[in-house]
Amino acid sequence: NAGVTQTPKFQVLKTGQSMTLQCAQDMNHNSMYWYRQDPGMGLRLIYYSASEGTTDKGEVPNGYNVSRLNKREFSLRLESAAPSQTSVYFCASRAYLGGANTEAFFGQGTRLTVV
Amino acid sequence: QQQVKQSPQSLIVQKGGISIINCAYENTAFDYFPWYQQFPGKGPALLIAIRPDVSEKKEGRFTISFNKSAKQFSLHIMDSQPGDSATYFCAASKGSNYQLIWGAGTKLIIKP
Repeated sequence: NAGVTQTPKFQVLKTGQSMTLQCAQDMNHNSMYWYRQDPGMGLRLIYYSASEGTTDKGEVPNGYNVSRLNKREFSLRLESAAPSQTSVYFCASRAYLGGANTEAFFGQGTRLTVV
Repeated sequence: QQQVKQSPQSLIVQKGGISIINCAYENTAFDYFPWYQQFPGKGPALLIAIRPDVSEKKEGRFTISFNKSAKQFSLHIMDSQPGDSATYFCAASKGSNYQLIWGAGTKLIIKP
């Protein structure tokens, strides 16, 4: 099983450019998440999707949009990139079993630099 | 009330020693407390997790100690090895909530 696959692995953008980070999972998980990771700040939730067809804002949603295309895929879009969005982005997925907490599986990350 | 506070931010331990990382939480509704391990260039991966109905859980060299009354939980790594050098995150979650609340992380270095 591939697990959670993110593309691209690395990206350099100029300020004002747009791009979409792709994420796909093959574990039939209901919930998917986008995080950003910055030094000394841990993982901060950008957006999440509890199930296909729903999306909700996390802690730091400004400057981002998301699409839950189907159960497998959850994309993150930067409409007008800013240097403050330079970060490592992680996609994660998690099963939801009637209220039981389950393991979150992470992709390998996308290292984004905005110049 | 949603925060999880993790300490220390960084930790250096000699090979063979015990590494201890602590986390504290406020929300008494949390019912799931995982620890994740992250190596450079990789995503975090689940190491061990505990629920509040037990005070300790051990898997190999890794132990979670849970103190419900103090609202604290900690990760102990016995006989620490250089291969344990990584960043460790604690987290907390409530069963009906889809979000994991994360600590800020601890960078652990095991000196040979």
